Amino acid sequence: IAGITQAPTSQILAAGRRMTLRCTQDMRHNAMYWYRQDLGLGLRLIHYSNTAGTTGKGEVPDGYSVSRANTDDFPLTLASAVPSQTSVYFCASRTTGKANEQFFGPGTRLTVL
Amino acid sequence: AQTVTQSQPEMSVQEAETVTLSCTYDTSESNYYLFWYKQPPSRQMILVIRQEAYKQQNATENRFSVNFQKAAKSFSLKISDSQLGDTAMYFCAFMKHDLNYAANNLFFGTGTRLTVIP
Repeated sequence: IAGITQAPTSQILAAGRRMTLRCTQDMRHNAMYWYRQDLGLGLRLIHYSNTAGTTGKGEVPDGYSVSRANTDDFPLTLASAVPSQTSVYFCASRTTGKANEQFFGPGTRLTVL
Repeated sequence: AQTVTQSQPEMSVQEAETVTLSCTYDTSESNYYLFWYKQPPSRQMILVIRQEAYKQQNATENRFSVNFQKAAKSFSLKISDSQLGDTAMYFCAFMKHDLNYAANNLFFGTGTRLTVIP
């Protein structure tokens, strides 16, 4: 693989269920991010990780948790899904140095009923 | 906090014509990056162009160019010779330039939906 992969592509979930969105990158980037995209709101940061073993909260972290056990993987967990978490979720990673470009995965469309 | 404003929710342009998408931002930072991302119907986020705030020269990438006005905090995107494949949602985004800052995440505008008309 080359770049960032996300799984699943889409998911319909009953409210109250637990769900983990997977994200894997093969570019050895230290920094990784989770954004959610909602109509009329653009993309907003949920959580980030500057390097393996560290995580931080973004703009809209409530109801979500992340872990970063290694450089490549950055899963996002919804402990008890609610309808307001219906969204498209994007994982991204960032180069270091002057380029500072973020690369995005293909996204996961999540519907919570 | 940083905010990014895109005041044009939708725009259209005739094929082969030129169109300009507007973006303004608010920040107290002196050094930062600005980006335009394209999101076609496939949903993939694609980097179109990048501008470093310390550079006075406007960035260009083939048919895409920006008009960066640092004092006015304005960062517009010009698409020349518009093509049908340019039809997409376009997002303006801001990033702090601080390698010691943990997040260095992107702050996005709400997007402009561009339709290229044949």
